[in-house]
Amino acid sequence: GQSLEQPSEVTAVEGAIVQINCTYQTSGFYGLSWYQQHDGGAPTFLSYNALDGLEETGRFSSFLSRSDSYGYLLLQELQMKDSASYFCAVGSGGYQKVTFGTGTKLQVIP
Amino acid sequence: EAQVTQNPRYLITVTGKKLTVTCSQNMNHEYMSWYRQDPGLGLRQIYYSMNVEVTDKGDVPEGYKVSRKEKRNFPLILESPSPNQTSLYFCASRQGANRNGELFFGEGSRLTVL
Repeated sequence: GQSLEQPSEVTAVEGAIVQINCTYQTSGFYGLSWYQQHDGGAPTFLSYNALDGLEETGRFSSFLSRSDSYGYLLLQELQMKDSASYFCAVGSGGYQKVTFGTGTKLQVIP
Repeated sequence: EAQVTQNPRYLITVTGKKLTVTCSQNMNHEYMSWYRQDPGLGLRQIYYSMNVEVTDKGDVPEGYKVSRKEKRNFPLILESPSPNQTSLYFCASRQGANRNGELFFGEGSRLTVL
């Protein structure tokens, strides 16, 4: 089966940079995704890595190392609205089965 | 507007009373799936469907059924709900050929089984 580990909580200061790590164990790996979820809301897609390296989308970047079964989400120039939960997710079997981590609750403080 | 619509958004029911949570998407997506979200456990996949009449179990399928008779609809059926199925449920869809993994989620259905 699949399993993912990510920190449960992270606190960072507005304007700073924060990195949320995700390690995974899976068979038939087919990409690592990141989602953001505000309290009371639905998860929304942030980024996806199928190959090793860094993907950048505005203030958000995501990194993957398949040999280390490890990835991270990097948030730059933190804003208060970035306070949310962040989930990593791995796909397997052609990305049919999708397993999510338990989520990292990010609190941005002034 | 492209969206995934779930109904009902909130439901309180009693043990054993069959219920269906509907999910509909207007993006012509081939892939649809159901998740439940519980505190400390993240999102867990219940069932998924690659296309009409093609469904398969996720990680926590016990106590649930699904059907995919039409491309746009993917209802979740609880034949005999039990209190341990009290949870927040999300339906999601994705373009089948979309390899960037992006899932589009509905707004969620909060179910309480007494």
